[in-house]
Amino acid sequence: EAQVTQNPRYLITVTGKKLTVTCSQNMNHEYMSWYRQDPGLGLRQIYYSMNVEVTDKGDVPEGYKVSRKEKRNFPLILESPSPNQTSLYFCASSLTWSGVETQYFGPGTRLLVL
Amino acid sequence: AQTVTQSQPEMSVQEAETVTLSCTYDTSESNYYLFWYKQPPSRQMILVIRQEAYKQQNATENRFSVNFQKAAKSFSLKISDSQLGDTAMYFCAFMNLRAGRRALTFGSGTRLQVQP
Repeated sequence: EAQVTQNPRYLITVTGKKLTVTCSQNMNHEYMSWYRQDPGLGLRQIYYSMNVEVTDKGDVPEGYKVSRKEKRNFPLILESPSPNQTSLYFCASSLTWSGVETQYFGPGTRLLVL
Repeated sequence: AQTVTQSQPEMSVQEAETVTLSCTYDTSESNYYLFWYKQPPSRQMILVIRQEAYKQQNATENRFSVNFQKAAKSFSLKISDSQLGDTAMYFCAFMNLRAGRRALTFGSGTRLQVQP
């Protein structure tokens, strides 16, 4: 089944404790992206990747890192989480970055930073 | 920069009735796509329908159709024969084709409740 998976789905952590949210897709998609969803704000893009080893900042990249060493994986790293990073996070992918193919979303990761 | 506005935070409709969700956007770009995504209680984001800005014909997907008014920068979603499974949060989204990063700009969402 074609899908985007994220792990963990739920995470409670404390301020300053490094964490990684994994994202993996099995559709051989070139383009992958991370969004965060906050009440009343919709989804906002954090980082995106056009292909392996090609990443760039989205609208709200502060406090986040990403890497794209393999085509299928695009982890989101929070080096020192803070309470304002409490949010619902979505990973998305699409076939290429040059077209407008549908972006497929993962199931979401709900993060609470205490 | 683009902005997407959904002015209806919540809406309710009776099963089998028709409902229209509003969306307006602001952009200086001429080449873009518009989308409606559905987010049910499971929180999964599901594409409902998309519209290419260069196409005058409104997109249709089964019970879902849009009214795209490019000059007015309006992109409403009509759901016909509403079903209980349509209960969800609906997001309007914009994609600027000139920007390489293909980011979706989302509105704040409209919560739709379908009543039995």
